[in-house]
Amino acid sequence: EAQVTQNPRYLITVTGKKLTVTCSQNMNHEYMSWYRQDPGLGLRQIYYSMNVEVTDKGDVPEGYKVSRKEKRNFPLILESPSPNQTSLYFCASSPLDRNTEAFFGQGTRLTVV
Amino acid sequence: GESVGLHLPTLSVQEGDNSIINCAYSNSASDYFIWYKQESGKGPQFIIDIRSNMDKRQGQRVTVLLNKTVKHLSLQIAATQPGDSAVYFCAEGATGYSSASKIIFGSGTRLSIRP
Repeated sequence: EAQVTQNPRYLITVTGKKLTVTCSQNMNHEYMSWYRQDPGLGLRQIYYSMNVEVTDKGDVPEGYKVSRKEKRNFPLILESPSPNQTSLYFCASSPLDRNTEAFFGQGTRLTVV
Repeated sequence: GESVGLHLPTLSVQEGDNSIINCAYSNSASDYFIWYKQESGKGPQFIIDIRSNMDKRQGQRVTVLLNKTVKHLSLQIAATQPGDSAVYFCAEGATGYSSASKIIFGSGTRLSIRP
């Protein structure tokens, strides 16, 4: 089954404690991206990657890092989480030539206290 | 499930009627536009897209209209069904740049179906 898998689905952590949210896709897609979703703000793009070792900032990259060492994985790293990073996070992937047809993961609800 | 948003504009439609969800976009350089559907507890799901060289595109029970003059996009859903209840997002993107794949989402509209 074609899917984008995020882990964990729910996470509560404390300010400053480094964390990683993993994202994996099994569709051999070149394009992957991370979004955060906050009430009334829709989805805002954090980072995206057009292929292995190619990453670029989205609209709200501050406080986040990503890496793309393999085509299927695109982890989101919060080196020092802060309460304003409490949000619902989505990973997405798509073929590069059809990047409008994105497949989204189920989401990760992160709470930073 | 995950909450999508507490203060979204809501469109309430009678089951069986047609729904029209509107969206205004901001970037004149955007050359493609997308509609996504997000059901409670799930990630967004692609519905349909349209390129800027078109003004209408039809899918199964859905039609997207694009008016570049006023930067307006609409999604029409024919014969709305209970399963259409969701939050709908429009999104815009631009190609032709070195960082070509940024997609910007709108804040969403909640579609509610009355039985």
